[in-house]
This record gives sequence, structure tokens and C-alpha cells, in this order.
Amino acid sequence: QKEVEQNSGPLSVPEGAIASLNCTYSDRVSQSFFWYRQYSGKSPELIMSIYSNGDKEDGRFTAQLNKASQYVSLLIRDSQPSDSATYLCAVGVYGSSNTGKLIFGQGTTLQVKP
Amino acid sequence: KAGVTQTPRYLIKTRGQQVTLSCSPISGHRSVSWYQQTPGQGLQFLFEYFSETQRNKGNFPGRFSGRQFSNSRSEMNVSTLELGDSALYLCASSPGGTGANVLTFGAGSRLTVL
Repeated sequence: QKEVEQNSGPLSVPEGAIASLNCTYSDRVSQSFFWYRQYSGKSPELIMSIYSNGDKEDGRFTAQLNKASQYVSLLIRDSQPSDSATYLCAVGVYGSSNTGKLIFGQGTTLQVKP
Repeated sequence: KAGVTQTPRYLIKTRGQQVTLSCSPISGHRSVSWYQQTPGQGLQFLFEYFSETQRNKGNFPGRFSGRQFSNSRSEMNVSTLELGDSALYLCASSPGGTGANVLTFGAGSRLTVL
């Protein structure tokens, strides 16, 4: 079983719709969760970070975390064509020896159609 | 504020050769992590350096090595290159220390092994 799993997609949504991206993880001691966006040919850039159960909102983005279900999601409201990219879920276990290590999912490709 | 700088951006090597990649972190960041990204395996953690010491290591063979200098700049080396080493090598920096640290990635070094 992979440590961090995402549906590879592509997930296709019309412009203006809500895109829902999901991620599950296997390590129950995971404590930090991140969503990165990666455009084709570019490096990953941080979209959201979340550390405690519940929702965290930042503009059009909402991250949701449920540690009991080992599930983290990203909602993108009012999706724009510029949101078309691969979204990477990353999980970390922090502590004195683990801070730089994140486990990444394979990524979900999002296509927003005008 | 300058971001994470990686050099070279592109390079082509042949099997059996070695390669050295360089990474300059964001000013003030003390942790540098290295990741390998391939279409098949996605983003995989190589190792992390903090204060010139390797703090964490992924599941890669000993041909992959790295180091960090007193100014936090880091290099990674791959010896006896194999075709499967063709990948995008990403460096990420973070403030360091304990706790959940957000990683900022550089643009990457794309290695092609012929």
C-alpha cells in the first residue's frame, strides 16, 4: 500500500465550478499536510498547509483534514483555467529528525475547461 | 527575497559518468532537502541536510550522496549514472529546526542520462 494515495485523474471541471481533490495517507502519526500545485515543466509551489482537524480556508482554496479517517482534501471554488495543473498531496511527520521529509502522492491532474 | 536557486538547470550525461548538482537555499534557511521526480515514481525523498549534517535519508542506493556547507548551500552527487537516474532533481529549503516546516522548491535540475 502506498503511503499517500491520490486519484491520478484527470479531473475535469467547467470554469466556475468547484474542484474537489482527495488524498488518503497510511501513517497514523502523520502530523503535517500540504497541497502543492505543479504546472507542467515547473516545480511544485505550496498552495495550502493544514495541521489540525477541520477546515482551513485561503481565498478560493479550502483544505480539509480528518485524521481519524486519514483523509485530506482540497476544494477549489470558482475554478479558473489557470488552475489547470497537477495537485500534489504531501504528508510529513515532524520531529527533530523528520522536518525536511515529506511523502508525496502521485498527484491529481486538474483540467478546468472554459 | 531570493528563492531557492539550483544549478545547472539542464544537463546530459552518459551511463557510468557522475554528476554534481548545486542548491542555494533561501537566505536564513538552514535545512535543504533533495527530491527526485520521475513520471513513474513521482516525487521521492532523497535526503535532508541541516547544519551541515545529514538529518534524514530516503531509500536510494549509495550512489546518491550529498553534503551541506557552512553557508547552508548544498550539493548532491550521483556516481556511476544509470539510465534510470534520468529525472528532475528538486531541492527544497526550509527554516529548519523542529516542527512542521514548509518546503520551498527550486526550479530543479533536469538530468538526462544517455
